[in-house]
Amino acid sequence: AQTVTQSQPEMSVQEAETVTLSCTYDTSESNYYLFWYKQPPSRQMILVIRQEAYKQQNATENRFSVNFQKAAKSFSLKISDSQLGDTAMYFCAFMKGLTGNQFYFGTGTSLTVIP
Amino acid sequence: EPEVTQTPSHQVTQMGQEVILRCVPISNHLYFYWYRQILGQKVEFLVSFYNNEISEKSEIFDDQFSVERPDGSNFTLKIRSTKLEDSAMYFCASNFRRTDGELFFGEGSRLTVL
Repeated sequence: AQTVTQSQPEMSVQEAETVTLSCTYDTSESNYYLFWYKQPPSRQMILVIRQEAYKQQNATENRFSVNFQKAAKSFSLKISDSQLGDTAMYFCAFMKGLTGNQFYFGTGTSLTVIP
Repeated sequence: EPEVTQTPSHQVTQMGQEVILRCVPISNHLYFYWYRQILGQKVEFLVSFYNNEISEKSEIFDDQFSVERPDGSNFTLKIRSTKLEDSAMYFCASNFRRTDGELFFGEGSRLTVL
């Protein structure tokens, strides 16, 4: 079975600062995907960033980057130059590769960007 | 930009009643999903649907639950006889390729069972 753990239920960061959200996971699969999804208040979840497990290079999307440590089964999200619009619930998620169909989510981290 | 839409946004029902939650996935998507999130808990997979049949379901998705795509656009989740523990936010999602990874979610339907 796959499990995803987010140990930080709430975090806050000053606008323009950098914040890192933690995620660990447990799986026996060798081929899988990891994701960070963002859910702003009263809005749908949207994909922030995706990492294929077979890729050693950490994924980057503008101000968002990940630190993927496969051996440690760790997948943290770094948000640089935080903006007010980054205030949201952030979910870490796992999907088995190729035959994967279902996502496994963490419990989420509520991030507040303080002006 | 195309979106997944869900109705109703909030439904209150009495225990034992039937509930239907509706979703309109993005039009060219082929895979459809329902997830739920009980307040304060993880988002949990319920079921995936492809080519007019269930492709995978979790242990949560018991005989009280059913899904269908009756008209090629709507994707519905029916709970036959609701229980208190069915109170949750239900999210519909879709994607074009299963292995693509990205799911497109609706805003959710909050179900409250009294």
